[in-house]
Amino acid sequence: GAVVSQHPSRVICKSGTSVKIECRSLDFQATTMFWYRQFPKQSLMLMATSNEGSKATYEQGVEKDKFLINHASLTLSTLTVTSAHPEDSSFYICSARGWGQGRIAATLERETQYFGPGTRLLVL
Amino acid sequence: DAKTTQPPSMDCAEGRAANLPCNHSTISGNEYVYWYRQIHSQGPQYIIHGLKNNETNEMASLIITEDRKSSTLILPHATLRDTAVYYCIVAGGFKTIFGAGTRLFVKA
Repeated sequence: GAVVSQHPSRVICKSGTSVKIECRSLDFQATTMFWYRQFPKQSLMLMATSNEGSKATYEQGVEKDKFLINHASLTLSTLTVTSAHPEDSSFYICSARGWGQGRIAATLERETQYFGPGTRLLVL
Repeated sequence: DAKTTQPPSMDCAEGRAANLPCNHSTISGNEYVYWYRQIHSQGPQYIIHGLKNNETNEMASLIITEDRKSSTLILPHATLRDTAVYYCIVAGGFKTIFGAGTRLFVKA
């Protein structure tokens, strides 16, 4: 399958600071990237969808001014948690949609979504 | 996207087949069935997907009923490393929405 990387894998920061998380599709160009958040013992919750060159679309209840998303290229999206607070501590996971490595796109076939390894954020 | 129903947890003996069911009775014609799994503290891993035909790859087999209202993920020879949360997702639109999944425990 295709590879998606995230950096950093873990980050600890003080309350009030901003944290930037990078998401890269390593071996394919991602048509769309997604950001999820996961709290302990819960499922993944979609935060926002981003397309290269356009503004991100945020899910209901997600503050766009707090979670800034920039989709700089077809292989890079960044999530910046601004003025982080302890309640923002969570596991942040990015995802990219594309065609698997070596796979030929078939007409009307839906692209597969591949996930990064996640970034664990702890705000003190 | 259609919602799915999965049992919250299942046990399986190491070396035996693990059969994970999923109900998706409101699936529409253009929606695919995807399976992902998440091992503790990692991002979800893609396993397999299908539209209406059964599918098999090096990881698993996916059996979709003829009416497409349910499916079963089969891990033919479960190992301890297959212990994870398995998510069945029905998706045809733009977004992939996760349900609660099934926590599979593979026991020695």
